[in-house]
Amino acid sequence: GENVEQHPSTLSVQEGDSAVIKCTYSDSASNYFPWYKQELGKGPQLIIDIRSNVGEKKDQRIAVTLNKTAKHFSLHITETQPEDSAVYFCATGNTNAGKSTFGDGTTLTVKP
Amino acid sequence: SAVISQKPSRDICQRGTSLTIQCQVDSQVTMMFWYRQQPGQSLTLIATANQGSEATYESGFVIDKFPISRPNLTFSTLTVSNMSPEDSSIYLCSVRTGLSDEQYFGPGTRLTVT
Repeated sequence: GENVEQHPSTLSVQEGDSAVIKCTYSDSASNYFPWYKQELGKGPQLIIDIRSNVGEKKDQRIAVTLNKTAKHFSLHITETQPEDSAVYFCATGNTNAGKSTFGDGTTLTVKP
Repeated sequence: SAVISQKPSRDICQRGTSLTIQCQVDSQVTMMFWYRQQPGQSLTLIATANQGSEATYESGFVIDKFPISRPNLTFSTLTVSNMSPEDSSIYLCSVRTGLSDEQYFGPGTRLTVT
């Protein structure tokens, strides 16, 4: 089955700096790559996703890049703010399979 | 997108008892999932709830311990049976609308077993 590795497990940055979280996966059939943000006491929230036919996608301060050949994808957050502090999960999915496989999560702390 | 509610939001239960968690979605969805998230851990898929038929369980999870119902396209329940302290966790309902690959999560049910 699919194996998703996420790094780093914790990340601390100063407000205004950039943060990068990386994930690698094993199943070449995966074609959908979402990122979730989970704040304390809440369920995961989908923040951005990318499909296998696209190399990069941006939405304001967040962006995701995908390298299908190398089987890795990354989340980039620029101009970080304290409210970006949360646990971030990457995931992989296959449109036909229906279910997703999640990484272990990255705890991001943005220091004011 | 989809708005998902779960009941109860949290509960403290005694070992040996059972708890049923409800998941309600504001629109019809194609797929519903139940996840477990232990403190500080990632999300582990328990099962896919199938409308009108038995749920599809992942390795390590069995129907006798986690019976699931899905009577229609907007509602599902997960029961945690014969609970032990090891069942203390957050249980999350998740859906796919079928219009895309996007998956949405409910707020979770925080279960503590004493």
